[in-house]
Amino acid sequence: DAKTTQPPSMDCAEGRAANLPCNHSTISGNEYVYWYRQIHSQGPQYIIHGLKNNETNEMASLIITEDRKSSTLILPHATLRDTAVYYCIVRPFIKAAGNKLTFGGGTRVLVKP
Amino acid sequence: EAGVAQSPRYKIIEKRQSVAFWCNPISGHATLYWYQQILGQGPKLLIQFQNNGVVDDSQLPKDRFSAERLKGVDSTLKIQPAKLEDSAVYLCASSSLGVPETQYFGPGTRLLVL
Repeated sequence: DAKTTQPPSMDCAEGRAANLPCNHSTISGNEYVYWYRQIHSQGPQYIIHGLKNNETNEMASLIITEDRKSSTLILPHATLRDTAVYYCIVRPFIKAAGNKLTFGGGTRVLVKP
Repeated sequence: EAGVAQSPRYKIIEKRQSVAFWCNPISGHATLYWYQQILGQGPKLLIQFQNNGVVDDSQLPKDRFSAERLKGVDSTLKIQPAKLEDSAVYLCASSSLGVPETQYFGPGTRLLVL
């Protein structure tokens, strides 16, 4: 019952921007878009999250369409260490604990020299 | 700050044996999660604790899996008896009750059941 759709894999060139799409056409008003990544043999790592405005941090930028039905994670200057599986997740944003992360298959990103 | 610690990192057992995994969350994090990740799939939540109480264990196979979080800090996940299909990586994560609620994951324990 994954709420997001992502391409299974993509390649990008080292030093170039990597644009990772995610479709979440059934997102509801109280749900945020979260991105995590998982480098080989490591646990998932939080990247960024957003509601409806574009967000940027030291790792990436998140662009959410006006209708909120899709988003794009941008890695501005991909490095070989960005090779990982990237997961797009929608979840309600509440203060209290109780919201699990429901992971789909993610996008396997390979950064090539 | 120290991250989420897990041990052991690897474990090989035979089917029908028992096994236990240990997790030490980030200091001060009230919420602790155990996920199971089968090869090629995303992690799936098994159980969630807030302090030492269970919030969600709907996906935990309770006939063979058990978990506890005594004193609201460390946690152990046990499988008894193990089946071949339990071969997976078991991930522990923790989070504070702050906003946003970001989960921090440990490196995982890779289990192989023969």
